[in-house]
Amino acid sequence: DGGITQSPKYLFRKEGQNVTLSCEQNLNHDAMYWYRQDPGQGLRLIYYSQIVNDFQKGDIAEGYSVSREKKESFPLTVTSAQKNPTAFYLCASRDSYNEQFFGPGTRLTVL
Amino acid sequence: AQRVTQPEKLLSVFKGAPVELKCNYSYSGSPELFWYVQYSRQRLQLLLRHISRESIKGFTADLNKGETSFHLKKPFAQEEDSAMYYCALSGLTYNTDKLIFGTGTRLQVFP
Repeated sequence: DGGITQSPKYLFRKEGQNVTLSCEQNLNHDAMYWYRQDPGQGLRLIYYSQIVNDFQKGDIAEGYSVSREKKESFPLTVTSAQKNPTAFYLCASRDSYNEQFFGPGTRLTVL
Repeated sequence: AQRVTQPEKLLSVFKGAPVELKCNYSYSGSPELFWYVQYSRQRLQLLLRHISRESIKGFTADLNKGETSFHLKKPFAQEEDSAMYYCALSGLTYNTDKLIFGTGTRLQVFP
Protein backbone atom coordinates (compact mmCIF):
# COMPACT_ATOMS: atom_id res chain seq x y z
CA ASP A 1 0.00 0.00 0.00
CA GLY A 2 2.45 2.65 -1.20
CA GLY A 3 1.74 6.13 -2.43
CA ILE A 4 1.41 8.30 0.65
CA THR A 5 2.67 7.15 4.00
CA GLN A 6 2.17 8.88 7.32
CA SER A 7 3.79 8.13 10.63
CA PRO A 8 3.14 7.53 13.38
CA LYS A 9 -0.42 6.22 13.26
CA TYR A 10 -1.06 7.39 16.83
CA LEU A 11 0.79 10.15 18.65
CA PHE A 12 0.44 11.38 22.18
CA ARG A 13 1.73 14.75 23.25
CA LYS A 14 2.01 16.46 26.56
CA GLU A 15 0.90 20.05 26.77
CA GLY A 16 3.71 22.43 25.89
CA GLN A 17 5.52 19.99 23.61
CA ASN A 18 6.11 20.31 19.91
CA VAL A 19 5.55 17.17 17.82
CA THR A 20 6.29 16.41 14.19
CA LEU A 21 4.10 14.31 11.94
CA SER A 22 5.76 12.62 9.00
CA CYS A 23 4.39 12.47 5.45
CA GLU A 24 6.21 10.78 2.58
CA GLN A 25 5.11 10.12 -0.99
CA ASN A 26 6.59 8.10 -3.83
CA LEU A 27 4.16 9.32 -6.49
CA ASN A 28 6.51 12.01 -7.82
CA HIS A 29 3.85 14.66 -7.18
CA ASP A 30 4.91 18.27 -6.83
CA ALA A 31 2.01 19.42 -4.65
CA MET A 32 1.43 18.23 -1.10
CA TYR A 33 -1.14 19.17 1.54
CA TRP A 34 -1.88 18.87 5.25
CA TYR A 35 -5.47 18.74 6.50
CA ARG A 36 -7.04 18.49 9.87
CA GLN A 37 -10.18 16.38 10.20
CA ASP A 38 -12.52 16.99 13.11
CA PRO A 39 -15.98 15.45 13.58
CA GLY A 40 -18.64 17.60 11.98
CA GLN A 41 -16.13 20.00 10.45
CA GLY A 42 -14.87 18.11 7.44
CA LEU A 43 -11.32 18.63 6.26
CA ARG A 44 -9.65 21.96 6.86
CA LEU A 45 -6.45 22.94 5.09
CA ILE A 46 -3.47 23.68 7.33
CA TYR A 47 -0.58 24.16 4.89
CA TYR A 48 0.22 23.24 1.34
CA SER A 49 3.25 23.16 -0.89
CA GLN A 50 3.29 23.44 -4.66
CA ILE A 51 6.98 22.78 -5.06
CA VAL A 52 10.12 22.03 -3.09
CA ASN A 53 11.28 24.86 -0.80
CA ASP A 54 7.95 26.65 -1.08
CA PHE A 55 4.76 26.41 0.98
CA GLN A 56 1.66 28.47 1.75
CA LYS A 57 -0.64 28.80 4.73
CA GLY A 58 -4.04 27.28 4.52
CA ASP A 59 -7.15 28.27 6.46
CA ILE A 60 -5.96 27.16 9.91
CA ALA A 61 -2.16 27.54 9.90
CA GLU A 62 -1.81 29.12 13.34
CA GLY A 63 0.16 26.88 15.70
CA TYR A 64 1.55 24.73 12.90
CA SER A 65 4.72 24.81 10.81
CA VAL A 66 5.97 22.84 7.82
CA SER A 67 9.04 22.38 5.67
CA ARG A 68 9.52 21.06 2.15
CA GLU A 69 13.19 20.31 1.68
CA LYS A 70 12.58 17.26 -0.50
CA LYS A 71 9.93 16.50 -3.06
CA GLU A 72 9.01 13.28 -1.29
CA SER A 73 8.62 14.69 2.20
CA PHE A 74 6.32 17.27 3.82
CA PRO A 75 6.53 17.07 7.62
CA LEU A 76 4.10 18.97 9.83
CA THR A 77 5.07 20.29 13.26
CA VAL A 78 2.33 20.93 15.76
CA THR A 79 3.69 23.54 18.13
CA SER A 80 2.73 24.37 21.68
CA ALA A 81 0.99 27.46 20.28
CA GLN A 82 -1.77 25.30 18.78
CA LYS A 83 -4.57 25.61 21.32
CA ASN A 84 -6.55 22.54 20.41
CA PRO A 85 -4.27 20.08 18.64
CA THR A 86 -6.15 16.87 19.37
CA ALA A 87 -7.39 15.78 15.94
CA PHE A 88 -6.92 13.45 13.00
CA TYR A 89 -4.32 14.75 10.53
CA LEU A 90 -4.33 13.84 6.86
CA CYS A 91 -1.57 14.37 4.34
CA ALA A 92 -2.23 14.36 0.60
CA SER A 93 -0.46 14.90 -2.69
CA ARG A 94 -1.97 16.04 -5.97
CA ASP A 95 -1.38 14.76 -9.47
CA SER A 96 -1.37 16.70 -12.72
CA TYR A 97 -5.07 15.89 -13.25
CA ASN A 98 -5.97 17.64 -9.99
CA GLU A 99 -6.77 14.46 -8.06
CA GLN A 100 -5.60 14.36 -4.46
CA PHE A 101 -4.28 11.14 -2.94
CA PHE A 102 -4.48 10.77 0.80
CA GLY A 103 -2.40 9.06 3.43
CA PRO A 104 -3.83 6.87 6.20
CA GLY A 105 -3.67 9.67 8.75
CA THR A 106 -2.17 10.34 12.16
CA ARG A 107 -4.32 10.65 15.26
CA LEU A 108 -2.81 13.15 17.68
CA THR A 109 -3.95 13.26 21.27
CA VAL A 110 -2.84 15.82 23.81
CA LEU A 111 -2.60 14.42 27.31
CA ALA B 1 -15.94 33.40 -0.86
CA GLN B 2 -15.59 29.78 -1.79
CA ARG B 3 -17.75 27.44 0.20
CA VAL B 4 -19.11 23.92 -0.01
CA THR B 5 -22.24 23.02 1.91
CA GLN B 6 -23.44 19.53 2.71
CA PRO B 7 -26.64 20.03 4.68
CA GLU B 8 -27.04 16.47 5.93
CA LYS B 9 -24.67 15.05 8.54
CA LEU B 10 -26.30 11.64 8.36
CA LEU B 11 -28.39 9.91 5.73
CA SER B 12 -29.89 6.52 6.52
CA VAL B 13 -31.60 4.35 3.93
CA PHE B 14 -32.47 0.71 3.41
CA LYS B 15 -30.75 -1.47 0.85
CA GLY B 16 -32.27 -0.98 -2.58
CA ALA B 17 -33.59 2.50 -1.86
CA PRO B 18 -32.48 5.52 -3.90
CA VAL B 19 -29.86 7.77 -2.43
CA GLU B 20 -29.18 11.46 -2.94
CA LEU B 21 -26.41 13.22 -1.03
CA LYS B 22 -26.75 16.95 -1.38
CA CYS B 23 -23.93 19.37 -2.13
CA ASN B 24 -24.19 23.09 -2.84
CA TYR B 25 -21.30 25.38 -3.54
CA SER B 26 -20.35 29.02 -3.74
CA TYR B 27 -17.69 30.08 -6.23
CA SER B 28 -17.68 33.11 -8.48
CA GLY B 29 -15.71 31.56 -11.35
CA SER B 30 -15.76 28.17 -13.02
CA PRO B 31 -15.45 25.39 -10.46
CA GLU B 32 -14.33 21.81 -10.61
CA LEU B 33 -16.40 19.61 -8.29
CA PHE B 34 -15.46 16.30 -6.73
CA TRP B 35 -16.93 13.64 -4.47
CA TYR B 36 -14.48 11.91 -2.14
CA VAL B 37 -15.41 8.85 -0.07
CA GLN B 38 -13.98 7.36 3.10
CA TYR B 39 -14.99 3.77 3.85
CA SER B 40 -14.47 2.41 7.34
CA ARG B 41 -10.77 1.87 8.06
CA GLN B 42 -9.79 2.99 4.58
CA ARG B 43 -8.21 6.12 3.18
CA LEU B 44 -10.10 9.02 1.77
CA GLN B 45 -10.28 8.51 -1.98
CA LEU B 46 -11.76 10.13 -5.04
CA LEU B 47 -15.14 8.74 -6.05
CA LEU B 48 -15.92 10.91 -9.04
CA ARG B 49 -15.48 14.35 -10.54
CA HIS B 50 -17.84 16.36 -12.69
CA ILE B 51 -15.36 16.82 -15.52
CA SER B 52 -15.12 13.10 -16.24
CA ARG B 53 -18.91 12.66 -16.38
CA GLU B 54 -18.70 9.01 -15.48
CA SER B 55 -20.58 6.68 -13.16
CA ILE B 56 -18.53 5.04 -10.44
CA LYS B 57 -19.97 2.16 -8.37
CA GLY B 58 -23.38 3.17 -9.67
CA PHE B 59 -23.05 6.76 -8.41
CA THR B 60 -23.53 9.78 -10.63
CA ALA B 61 -23.35 13.51 -10.02
CA ASP B 62 -24.32 16.33 -12.33
CA LEU B 63 -23.04 19.84 -11.99
CA ASN B 64 -25.96 22.27 -12.00
CA LYS B 65 -24.50 25.74 -12.37
CA GLY B 66 -27.87 27.42 -12.13
CA GLU B 67 -28.58 25.89 -8.73
CA THR B 68 -24.86 25.73 -7.79
CA SER B 69 -25.29 22.09 -6.85
CA PHE B 70 -23.47 18.83 -7.34
CA HIS B 71 -25.67 16.22 -5.73
CA LEU B 72 -24.51 12.60 -5.61
CA LYS B 73 -27.09 10.03 -6.62
CA LYS B 74 -27.49 6.28 -6.78
CA PRO B 75 -30.75 4.58 -7.77
CA PHE B 76 -30.32 1.48 -5.57
CA ALA B 77 -28.17 1.70 -2.45
CA GLN B 78 -26.03 -1.24 -1.35
CA GLU B 79 -24.74 -2.01 2.15
CA GLU B 80 -21.17 -1.53 0.93
CA ASP B 81 -22.01 2.08 0.09
CA SER B 82 -22.02 2.89 3.80
CA ALA B 83 -19.25 5.46 4.25
CA MET B 84 -18.45 9.11 4.80
CA TYR B 85 -18.88 11.22 1.68
CA TYR B 86 -17.26 14.60 1.13
CA CYS B 87 -18.07 17.07 -1.61
CA ALA B 88 -15.11 19.24 -2.63
CA LEU B 89 -14.47 22.19 -4.91
CA SER B 90 -11.41 23.37 -6.76
CA GLY B 91 -11.31 26.50 -8.81
CA LEU B 92 -10.72 26.51 -12.53
CA THR B 93 -10.58 30.29 -12.60
CA TYR B 94 -8.73 31.11 -9.36
CA ASN B 95 -7.49 29.19 -6.32
CA THR B 96 -6.85 26.33 -8.68
CA ASP B 97 -4.37 24.58 -6.42
CA LYS B 98 -6.58 23.94 -3.38
CA LEU B 99 -9.60 21.83 -2.50
CA ILE B 100 -12.38 23.21 -0.35
CA PHE B 101 -14.24 20.42 1.41
CA GLY B 102 -17.73 20.28 2.78
CA THR B 103 -18.40 18.96 6.26
CA GLY B 104 -19.31 15.53 4.98
CA THR B 105 -22.38 13.27 5.03
CA ARG B 106 -22.34 9.86 6.61
CA LEU B 107 -24.38 7.38 4.58
CA GLN B 108 -25.74 4.36 6.41
CA VAL B 109 -27.34 1.63 4.33
CA PHE B 110 -29.32 -0.87 6.37
CA PRO B 111 -29.98 -4.43 5.17
